[in-house]
Amino acid sequence: EVVMTQSPATLSVSPGERATLSCRASQSVGGNVAWYQQKPGQAPRLLIYGTFTRATGIPARFSGSGSGTEFSLTISSLQSEDFAVYFCQQYDNWPPWTFGQGTKVEIK
Amino acid sequence: EVQLLESGGDLVQPGGSLRLSCVVSGFTFTTYAMNWVRQAPGKGLEWVSAIGTSGFDTFYADSVRGRFTVSRDTSRNTLYLQMNSLRAEDAAVYFCASKIPGQNPYTYWGQGTLVTVSS
Repeated sequence: EVVMTQSPATLSVSPGERATLSCRASQSVGGNVAWYQQKPGQAPRLLIYGTFTRATGIPARFSGSGSGTEFSLTISSLQSEDFAVYFCQQYDNWPPWTFGQGTKVEIK
Repeated sequence: EVQLLESGGDLVQPGGSLRLSCVVSGFTFTTYAMNWVRQAPGKGLEWVSAIGTSGFDTFYADSVRGRFTVSRDTSRNTLYLQMNSLRAEDAAVYFCASKIPGQNPYTYWGQGTLVTVSS
């Protein structure tokens, strides 16, 4: 099973600032990593897949990078609607499909 | 508009059973693999089960194998999860999620249905 480890657990950021979230895989997962955003009481929403590609309707301030075992999600200028929990997921080696434990982005 | 609507969540005693349903619309059900993902209160996401487009290929997390059964009914555009021998640790919001077969992410998600296991 591929273990996905996210850091930090909580990220405190002021609106307009840049946020970088990290995700490490326990073994290489190629480029098969996705990022999801989840707001309280809502379902996760696909943001990024294939490491870099934004899903339909996702603003350009969200970008993904990385390869092999190290991946990042960057939000270039945080908007009020971006404060949420973010999960990474690998879909390279399955089953099981595995998620990181999440990073909460909160208002500083 | 794409919609995935789960139902069937309830309060059940340990050892009990439940059947969850997920009715989909707005996309071609038969071309998507379907999954169940759960989230315990205040916790992260845990994949539970998956079923291929034909319904013949099924996969389960170790934690539920032998107790849960996933199925799909293409005539009703509905995904099911039969949950038997429920344990306290199965308590969670259960989401259905769709994905294109193969190495692809979860494209669409439902809003979830809450399963509570308690005596």
